[in-house]
Amino acid sequence: NAGVTQTPKFQVLKTGQSMTLQCAQDMNHNSMYWYRQDPGMGLRLIYYSASEGTTDKGEVPNGYNVSRLNKREFSLRLESAAPSQTSVYFCASSEGDTIRDEQYFGPGTRLTVT
Amino acid sequence: AQKVTQAQTEISVVEKEDVTLDCVYETRDTTYYLFWYKQPPSGELVFLIRRNSFDEQNEISGRYSWNFQKSTSSFNFTITASQVVDSAVYFCALSEAYSGAGSYQLTFGKGTKLSVIP
Repeated sequence: NAGVTQTPKFQVLKTGQSMTLQCAQDMNHNSMYWYRQDPGMGLRLIYYSASEGTTDKGEVPNGYNVSRLNKREFSLRLESAAPSQTSVYFCASSEGDTIRDEQYFGPGTRLTVT
Repeated sequence: AQKVTQAQTEISVVEKEDVTLDCVYETRDTTYYLFWYKQPPSGELVFLIRRNSFDEQNEISGRYSWNFQKSTSSFNFTITASQVVDSAVYFCALSEAYSGAGSYQLTFGKGTKLSVIP
């Protein structure tokens, strides 16, 4: 089992460009999440999907959109990248969306917007 | 106010020393869960432990132990006889029933960077 995979691992964008970060999990988990990690800020939730067909905003959703393509895949799109979106992005999944479910994380995507 | 506070930003210890990472949380819920994650230099977060609010028993797993005290809203993590491989950023996280953004959200502390010097 690969667990949670993310592509790409690194990306450099110019301001205004768009891109989609891909995430897939092979653990048959129902819930998936996108976080960003900035120095000294911990992890902040961007969007999550409690189950296939549903998505909800997290703490910092502005400037992002998501698509839960199927049970395995959850993508994050930046329509018009800004330097403030320079960050490391993590995708995670959990079996359910209850408060007891631990999340499993992918390796991250390091994004730089110039 | 932060819901999860990890006051120690960085800690350095010499190999074989014991080290405790502090975590203080804030919640009005009576039912909640606390988690610890490890982020080694490779970057991927690894789940270490989960504890629910009704179980205050201390947990020991090899060199790792966790002390949960509701009276002080703390969930501290101790590594005994530290090793270089323990060098990582450690995150404490809180899971509550209702946290504002949707029906469920895991709130992370800002992390403590542990460096174990050989």
